[in-house]
Amino acid sequence: DAKTTQPNSMESNEEEPVHLPCNHSTISGTDYIHWYRQLPSQGPEYVIHGLTSNVNNRMASLAIAEDRKSSTLILHRATLRDAAVYYCIPSGGYNKLIFGAGTRLAVHP
Amino acid sequence: KAGVTQTPRYLIKTRGQQVTLSCSPISGHRSVSWYQQTPGQGLQFLFEYFSETQRNKGNFPGRFSGRQFSNSRSEMNVSTLELGDSALYLCASSLVLIGTGTNTEAFFGQGTRLTVV
Repeated sequence: DAKTTQPNSMESNEEEPVHLPCNHSTISGTDYIHWYRQLPSQGPEYVIHGLTSNVNNRMASLAIAEDRKSSTLILHRATLRDAAVYYCIPSGGYNKLIFGAGTRLAVHP
Repeated sequence: KAGVTQTPRYLIKTRGQQVTLSCSPISGHRSVSWYQQTPGQGLQFLFEYFSETQRNKGNFPGRFSGRQFSNSRSEMNVSTLELGDSALYLCASSLVLIGTGTNTEAFFGQGTRLTVV
């Protein structure tokens, strides 16, 4: 399983962009990079995933480095509801998600 | 459409007892996986079932077991409960095998909070 390194915590102000980094230098060539988040008192929630190209959806954008050793989740305009723990999870063919400690994002009004 | 449903939401058991937790996946989803979440260990993978077959298993003792029925509903069982089994148990469902590419995102339930006393 690929190892990941994420900041323990980050802070943002409401309506500002947030860039959440993840280092996954041991990722294999076929591993997808998944991002999930867990809001307080809820189960994890899928955010986005990608393989090589940058990806966008209604929730966020995922920027993947050319060497795939790192990626960045971008929340374009943080809201209070985005306060959560964000997990970066490389996976591929393992039929499981290996959660690390994640990054706890605090959003200030 | 209805999300992943886990029952019960809360449970208190005594050491040595056994417990069965239930998970109903999103309609049409064939993959169900289970996770344990504790403050000390975070989210840990227990096992995943796809089409009634266990496809992957995490590093948990044999006291933890599960099964999946033909309608994709799943149960997990913990026998001879220990205090350390107190945790939030989360179930996730996916259209196909989790993490294997497109359409593989997992949808999590709200969990069952198990307290062992």
